[in-house]
Amino acid sequence: AQKVTQAQTEISVVEKEDVTLDCVYETRDTTYYLFWYKQPPSGELVFLIRRNSFDEQNEISGRYSWNFQKSTSSFNFTITASQVVDSAVYFCALIRGSNYKLTFGKGTLLTVNP
Amino acid sequence: DAEITQSPRHKITETGRQVTLACHQTWNHNNMFWYRQDLGHGLRLIHYSYGVHDTNKGEVSDGYSVSRSNTEDLPLTLESAASSQTSVYFCASSKGLAGEDTQYFGPGTRLTVL
Repeated sequence: AQKVTQAQTEISVVEKEDVTLDCVYETRDTTYYLFWYKQPPSGELVFLIRRNSFDEQNEISGRYSWNFQKSTSSFNFTITASQVVDSAVYFCALIRGSNYKLTFGKGTLLTVNP
Repeated sequence: DAEITQSPRHKITETGRQVTLACHQTWNHNNMFWYRQDLGHGLRLIHYSYGVHDTNKGEVSDGYSVSRSNTEDLPLTLESAASSQTSVYFCASSKGLAGEDTQYFGPGTRLTVL
């Protein structure tokens, strides 16, 4: 069975601080895909990134960066110089192999205070 | 622009009534999914479809049904609504093969069963 664990239920930071959201996954498949989604207070789910299991390169997109480490089964998400607009629930998710089904972690609520 | 829409956005119903939530996408995606989101559980898969006339059960399918008569629509029906089905429901779609393609989500429907 596959599982995604986001151990941090809530994180609160002050604007301009860097923050890392942790994601640990479990799967027996060698081919799998990892995702991060953002859910702002307005409620929609916004896709941020997809990474396949064969690509361990870290990725940076503006203030966002992702660290994928197969050795520790982790796919962590860092926001640099956080802003109030980053306040949201962030979900990590996994699809394994040829399966179409997303397995979500329970999410991390990030609050960025001014 | 292509998009995925859900209707209604908010619904209040009574226990025992049949309710149908609509999901419509204009991306011509083959795959469509229904999830429910509850505090403490993250998002859980209800039903999914890989194409016209194809439907499959997810992890929390009891009390729900779907049908896929065309590419664009996957309505979700609660046959006899129960208070335990009070939740936020998200529809999603993806184009291609398994995790190689990202699932994009609709804006959600908040359902309250009294």
